Parts: sequence; structure tokens; C-alpha cells
Amino acid sequence: QVQLQQSGAELVKPGSSVKISCKASGYTFTSYDMHWIKQQPGNGLEWIGWIYPGNGNTKYNQKFNGKATLTADKSSSTAYMQLSSLTSEDSAVYFCARSLRRVFDYWGQGVMVTVSS
Amino acid sequence: DVVLTQTPPTLSATIGQSVSISCRSSQSLLHSNGNTYLNWLLQRPGQPPQLLIYLVSRLESGVPNRFSGSGSGTDFTLKISGVEAEDLGVYYCVQSTHAPTFGGGTKLELK
Repeated sequence: QVQLQQSGAELVKPGSSVKISCKASGYTFTSYDMHWIKQQPGNGLEWIGWIYPGNGNTKYNQKFNGKATLTADKSSSTAYMQLSSLTSEDSAVYFCARSLRRVFDYWGQGVMVTVSS
Repeated sequence: DVVLTQTPPTLSATIGQSVSISCRSSQSLLHSNGNTYLNWLLQRPGQPPQLLIYLVSRLESGVPNRFSGSGSGTDFTLKISGVEAEDLGVYYCVQSTHAPTFGGGTKLELK
């Protein structure tokens, strides 16, 4: 069965960076887009960008240009998102979600990132 | 960016009641390939969102058929015909015809 297993919660300091992971199983990793979505406490959902692991192509929400960097490791079927220059506004839960033909059909369990000194 | 406006923000229902949620888009969601990429998600408390309906009206595998979707262009509706306790949570519409955006959510709670 399809599973997206995300890494654990992170507590990081302002100004630092964090890299979170999303390990895929149960399907051909290189055949589906992987999207990343942000959810701040009590708020809705915000799309960050996607990566196609088959060739590494990426596309970002302009708002997250320079903030998020998406990569993928085909050998371990793992997608990564690095967030840089962290501020309190980056404190949120981050989801990875698989997509085929523009449909988010499977989601990871989410990673809570807390930015605090 | 495409703005999706969901109404109502909160919905109180009794078990067995039928309810509808509206999602209105600031732009047409009809893609040049003829598809309309408007999907509905449910997020239960403490859980990630799950896909209910895609391409406006297609039911995701395993989703009960009391859920249905309709609409076109800029106006879309999710209907639940007979709410059950497991349906409680926050419903989101999401479009991916353009760069993906989500509606603000509709919280379904028990009356």
C-alpha cells in the first residue's frame, strides 16, 4: 500500500535551516510528483511547490522562492524539503503529498516545525 | 493567485442530515485540456487531509457514496447525503488547474 512516512518534529532556532524528509513506499517513486504543503496552527493549507523525482524538475509557489528547496533521492525513494532563514512565520506543520494528474491522492502524516530561540 | 472561497465556514449538523458546502473560484477552473481540476479533501482532527473527490465529481476509491461533488467553471458544491459521525472535521476544496490553492475550509460539527 502507498505510504508517505515523514521525519519527526523539529525545534529550530531563528535564522537557521531545517531539512525534513518524506519516504515513499508502495509505488514507483519516480512516476509521481511530490508536493509540499504548509499548515499553520488554526489556519488553512498553503501550497509550497512540487518536485518530479523522475528528473528532478521543480516548481515553486513564488511566495516560497528562496525559502524552500525541494530535492529527491531516487535510490532511497525519499523527497526532501529544506527551509532556510527560519522565522516564527515558518512555524507550521508541513505535509508531503503525492500527485498524479494534478490530484493529491496520498498525504504524509505531517511534520511540525517550531522556530523558537 | 486563484482564490477559493468556501461557505459556510462552519456547519452544524445532526446525524443523518444532508448538508452542502460551496466553493467559489476567482477564475475559471476549466483547463485547456478540458479537465476541471477541483478536488475536495477532509481533514479529521490530528490527521492529514484525505482525498474525497477529484475532477469535480469523481469519488476516490473507498470513499462512501454519500459524498458527491458537482459544479463547473467557478462554482462547485460538495454534498453529504446523510452525515455520519466519522464525517466530522474540516473540508477543503483545492484547485490545481492553476498553481494549486486551497479554500479556507468548512468545519463540520455536530449540532
